[in-house]
Amino acid sequence: AQSVTQPDIHITVSEGASLELRCNYSYGATPYLFWYVQSPGQGLQLLLKYFSGDTLVQGIKGFEAEFKRSQSSFNLRKPSVHWSDAAEYFCAVGANTGNQFYFGTGTSLTVIP
Amino acid sequence: EAGVVQSPRYKIIEKKQPVAFWCNPISGHNTLYWYLQNLGQGPELLIRYENEEAVDDSQLPKDRFSAERLKGVDSTLKIQPAELGDSAVYLCASSSTSGGEQFFGPGTRLTVL
Repeated sequence: AQSVTQPDIHITVSEGASLELRCNYSYGATPYLFWYVQSPGQGLQLLLKYFSGDTLVQGIKGFEAEFKRSQSSFNLRKPSVHWSDAAEYFCAVGANTGNQFYFGTGTSLTVIP
Repeated sequence: EAGVVQSPRYKIIEKKQPVAFWCNPISGHNTLYWYLQNLGQGPELLIRYENEEAVDDSQLPKDRFSAERLKGVDSTLKIQPAELGDSAVYLCASSSTSGGEQFFGPGTRLTVL
């Protein structure tokens, strides 16, 4: 069955520190992979996506993610976190047909000044 | 360019009452999605439209939920009658192609008393 696992429910980091949010997926076909961010009371905003090609993808706000097929992972990274990055982060997997689009349960990020 | 518009942003009703949510997707986006997001969870797909056709409604509880997308633009999601467990955020998203990047609205937060 298709699924997305985000092992870390909540992460706290200091401002300026590096960040890595984990995402593992289970998908029968070649996946399309996404990271979204959701601030309180807001809709989801796309940070980056992977469809094919270079496995290291760059996104907005200084985020990047690496697709590792052997590990079924698509971890999100940022070298230096800003206080404004505090939010909920969701990993998602889908197919190019548009159906079977699955979100993980999210990781809540707190940034300490 | 205007984003996905949803109304109302907040709705409080008593159980057994009907409720309706409205979504206006980004202009030109043929694919429209309705998601349910419970507190602390990722969004779960309820229904997906390609133009005016509902192509995936397998997760829509059809005994009390209904949706329509007349003319393939705006969409309405209805619950009748609402139950306590329906309290959640209802998100609408649209994409220009099925499987492509989804743009989310701010959601409607429903509270059923």
